[in-house]
Amino acid sequence: AQSVTQPDIHITVSEGASLELRCNYSYGATPYLFWYVQSPGQGLQLLLKYFSGDTLVQGIKGFEAEFKRSQSSFNLRKPSVHWSDAAEYFCAVGAGTGFQKLVFGTGTRLLVSP
Amino acid sequence: DAGVTQSPTHLIKTRGQHVTLRCSPISGHKSVSWYQQVLGQGPQFIFQYYEKEERGRGNFPDRFSARQFPNYSSELNVNALLLGDSALYLCASSSPDRDEKLFFGSGTQLSVL
Repeated sequence: AQSVTQPDIHITVSEGASLELRCNYSYGATPYLFWYVQSPGQGLQLLLKYFSGDTLVQGIKGFEAEFKRSQSSFNLRKPSVHWSDAAEYFCAVGAGTGFQKLVFGTGTRLLVSP
Repeated sequence: DAGVTQSPTHLIKTRGQHVTLRCSPISGHKSVSWYQQVLGQGPQFIFQYYEKEERGRGNFPDRFSARQFPNYSSELNVNALLLGDSALYLCASSSPDRDEKLFFGSGTQLSVL
């Protein structure tokens, strides 16, 4: 069965510092991988996705993620964090039907300090 | 264009009651998916409907059911509510032939007392 692990429950980053959020997945075939962001009281917004091709994926809001098959990882990065980036971040893998049925990790809450 | 809209935004029920949650997809989207997000957890897949047919079901009891209407809106029904059903219920729509991604609504917060 597919699964996603986000080992960091909370991360605090100073504004302007770089960010890396970790994600490890378990899936037998080539995965469909996603990063979503959720602000309080809001639904999920897609930051970026990986289906195939270039393993470095660019997303919205200056985020990028790198797919590493050998490590079963899909870590999210941003070179300079803004206070508005404070939110919950979820990594997800598409199971079976690709992108319709997603298996999510438990999320990482990002706190941004001044 | 309006995004995915869900109603109601908040709901309080008591154990044993029945609840119906509603979702209107983005115009032109024919697929609707439902997810349950318990506090402190990631969303968990419940159902997917496409063109009014069930295309996928997650590991949820038969108390959970859903349907999709000719205008592609959808309802999620939960019978015999349990305390553990308290969660944020998210609806997502998509257009598989145009863009391979889900667009989520803001959800319905269900509290079961």
